[in-house]
Amino acid sequence: DGGITQSPKYLFRKEGQNVTLSCEQNLNHDAMYWYRQDPGQGLRLIYYSQIVNDFQKGDIAEGYSVSREKKESFPLTVTSAQKNPTAFYLCASRQGSMNQPQHFGDGTRLSIL
Amino acid sequence: RKEVEQDPGPFNVPEGATVAFNCTYSNSASQSFFWYRQDCRKEPKLLMSVYSSGNEDGRFTAQLNRASQYISLLIRDSKLSDSATYLCVVKPSGGYQKVTFGIGTKLQVIP
Repeated sequence: DGGITQSPKYLFRKEGQNVTLSCEQNLNHDAMYWYRQDPGQGLRLIYYSQIVNDFQKGDIAEGYSVSREKKESFPLTVTSAQKNPTAFYLCASRQGSMNQPQHFGDGTRLSIL
Repeated sequence: RKEVEQDPGPFNVPEGATVAFNCTYSNSASQSFFWYRQDCRKEPKLLMSVYSSGNEDGRFTAQLNRASQYISLLIRDSKLSDSATYLCVVKPSGGYQKVTFGIGTKLQVIP
């Protein structure tokens, strides 16, 4: 079945540690996105990528990094510089045409140990 | 003014009731609009796109009012399974520009 797979479902980070969240899609979508969702807040964009080997900062990119070496993969690294990483992280992808909606993976919950 | 505003609710309605949510947006150049449904601790799922002439999908009706810059979602004959948070999404015209999500409106349908 086509879809977006995020892993792991739950992740715990120790102080000073970098962790990487995986996002893979087999929908052949060009654009991919990472969002963070905190209680009582809307989704906030961390990074997005329109095409392989290209990505742009979103509204809250500080403390995060991404890569887009393959069309189907868009991993997110939460670095130790991100002081408040506890959140629900959502990866999304979208077909290339302009007005198509985004489709989401089932998310990763990150907590600090 | 926020780019996209929604009343967070909660809206508590009895089963069978009709309920409507509005979502206002500030960018008059916005071109694409969507409603998503998000269940507790789950990912958002596309409910429906919103077209200029309005559109319906079963018990759900979406409307766009460009003059007043808002979109609406009407749910008729509410079911217990409709309980969720409803997110509105607004996208400016053109290319890969980022979309903006509303905070979501929580709906609780009561037996």
